Amino acid sequence: AQSVTQLGSHVSVSEGALVLLRCNYSSSVPPYLFWYVQYPNQGLQLLLKYTTGATLVKGINGFEAEFKKSETSFHLTKPSAHMSDAAEYFCAVMIYNQGGKLIFGQGTELSVKP
Amino acid sequence: DSGVTQTPKHLITATGQRVTLRCSPRSGDLSVYWYQQSLDQGLQFLIQYYNGEERAKGNILERFSAQQFPDLHSELNLSSLELGDSALYFCASTQGMSDSPLHFGNGTRLTVT
Repeated sequence: AQSVTQLGSHVSVSEGALVLLRCNYSSSVPPYLFWYVQYPNQGLQLLLKYTTGATLVKGINGFEAEFKKSETSFHLTKPSAHMSDAAEYFCAVMIYNQGGKLIFGQGTELSVKP
Repeated sequence: DSGVTQTPKHLITATGQRVTLRCSPRSGDLSVYWYQQSLDQGLQFLIQYYNGEERAKGNILERFSAQQFPDLHSELNLSSLELGDSALYFCASTQGMSDSPLHFGNGTRLTVT
């Protein structure tokens, strides 16, 4: 069965530091992978997605993620954290052979210290 | 603004009661998803509809039901409510293509007392 594991429920970085949020997936078929961000009292917003093609995917707000099939990973990075990046981040895998069901990881809360 | 509208924003009700949550998808989107978000369970997929038909089912309790109407809006009905049903319920919509991202509403916060 397809699943997503996010390592670390809470990550704290200093402003200007590298952001690295880890995501590993399990899928019996080539996956479609997504990162979403949730700000307080709001719904989820798409950051980026990987379906096919280039394995390095660029998203909004300076975030990017690299699909590594050999490591079954899809880690999210940003070179320099900004205070406004503080939010909860969710990795997700789409089970497209089951009608497009999207399965989310448990989420990682990112804190940014001044 | 995602274009997905959920009403009401907040709902407070007592155990044993029944409530209806409503979702209007983004214009042009045919598929609607429902998710439950709680602190202990995270984001749980409940059910998906495509153009009025049920497409996929997740961990939806028998006390819960949903439907998508001809105008594509959707309703999630929760009955015989328990304290543990207190959560944030999200609706999301998408065009329906397999790699289309989901667009989420701001959720309905349900509190069962």
